[in-house]
Amino acid sequence: KAGVTQTPRYLIKTRGQQVTLSCSPISGHRSVSWYQQTPGQGLQFLFEYFSETQRNKGNFPGRFSGRQFSNSRSEMNVSTLELGDSALYLCASSLRTGVNIQYFGAGTRLSVL
Amino acid sequence: GENVEQHPSTLSVQEGDSAVIKCTYSDSASNYFPWYKQELGKRPQLIIDIRSNVGEKKDQRIAVTLNKTAKHFSLHITETQPEDSAVYFCAASIRGNQFYFGTGTSLTVIP
Repeated sequence: KAGVTQTPRYLIKTRGQQVTLSCSPISGHRSVSWYQQTPGQGLQFLFEYFSETQRNKGNFPGRFSGRQFSNSRSEMNVSTLELGDSALYLCASSLRTGVNIQYFGAGTRLSVL
Repeated sequence: GENVEQHPSTLSVQEGDSAVIKCTYSDSASNYFPWYKQELGKRPQLIIDIRSNVGEKKDQRIAVTLNKTAKHFSLHITETQPEDSAVYFCAASIRGNQFYFGTGTSLTVIP
């Protein structure tokens, strides 16, 4: 069974631009969560999607948004990029919402110049 | 929201010794506590988890204990090996798949 797939693996953007990251969950998994990982703040929860609906949201500004498609694939968008948005963005998939084991993807490394 | 603290931030042990990493959480409603191992440049991988209705869980050389009264949980690795060297993260969940992570412990096992 294929694992969680994130694309692209690396991105370089400049301040003010926007970016879209993609996450394909494990086959059969319907919940996708997104996390931001930085050396200073560690792993911080962004949001969770299940059945195309946002179920939980972390403490991030509205520039961070996401969506989920009917095939459970999810995208995350960051608008008006700031230098501080440079991070590893990880998505994790679970069978369903509720408290479940999460399996992480390899992440997308975003650098904002 | 939930706050998870993790100690120590770095830990060095001799091969064959035991390693213990401790985490505390603030919200008594937290009910699921996973531990992840992240090797350099790799994705976090679940190594063990425990739910709030269980006090201890063991899987070969790895064990986790949970003290709900004190709101802390610990990871125990026995007979450490060089391949155990990695960053370990604890996490707590109150609801859904919203995990609150500790800041990580960098474990080095010295051969």
